[in-house]
Amino acid sequence: AQRVTQPEKLLSVFKGAPVELKCNYSYSGSPELFWYVQYSRQRLQLLLRHISRESIKGFTADLNKGETSFHLKKPFAQEEDSAMYYCALSVNAGGTSYGKLTFGQGTILTVHP
Amino acid sequence: DVKVTQSSRYLVKRTGEKVFLECVQDMDHENMFWYRQDPGLGLRLIYFSYDVKMKEKGDIPEGYSVSREKKERFSLILESASTNQTSMYLCASKVGGSGNTIYFGEGSWLTVV
Repeated sequence: AQRVTQPEKLLSVFKGAPVELKCNYSYSGSPELFWYVQYSRQRLQLLLRHISRESIKGFTADLNKGETSFHLKKPFAQEEDSAMYYCALSVNAGGTSYGKLTFGQGTILTVHP
Repeated sequence: DVKVTQSSRYLVKRTGEKVFLECVQDMDHENMFWYRQDPGLGLRLIYFSYDVKMKEKGDIPEGYSVSREKKERFSLILESASTNQTSMYLCASKVGGSGNTIYFGEGSWLTVV
C-alpha cells in the first residue's frame, strides 16, 4: 500500500529565510505527487504537482525517485506562506485513476516577521 | 470557478444519533470523495464514488456509509455516531481520469458528545 510521510509536524522560520518541507513516499508504481496548502480559515487547495514542473508562489518541488522524496522548497519565505502543508500521492486503480489521494500527516509552517 | 459546498459547517450530535453530511458540487465531476482530517494524522479517505450509485471504501470506512443518488451530491452517513468520530470532514470532487485537480469543500466540523 502507498504511504506518504512528512516528518515535521511544525516548522518555524524567519521571513526571508529559505524553507524546505520534507515529504517521502512509498509506492511501487509510478506516482503522481502533489502539495496542497490550507491557509487559516480557507479550504484546502492545490499548490503544485510534480508533472507540471512549475513554480507557484515561489515554491518548487522536485520528484526524486531514487530517494522517493518530493520536498517543497522556497528560497525566501514570506509571512503569508504561514499555513498547513500536505504532501499527497495519487495512484491508479485497475488502470483507471480515480484520483484518490493519500496524504501525509501535514506540516504547519510558521513564518515569523 | 469550481464550487464544492458542504451545507453544514458546524454540527454537534449526541452519541448514537444518525448523522448526515451533505456535499454538492456544481461542475459535473464524476468522482467525489469524503476525507476525515485529524491533527497529526493528516487526511484519511473514508469513501469515494466514481459514478452515480457507485461507491468504494477508502482507508477508514468503518462506522460510515455513503450515498450518491445524483451526480452532483455525495452524502456521508454516520449510522450511530460515536465520540471517536468527532473530527473535521472534507468533501472533494474531480473530473474523472488521471491528472486532474481535486477540489475541496470548506469542511464540516462534527462534534459528538
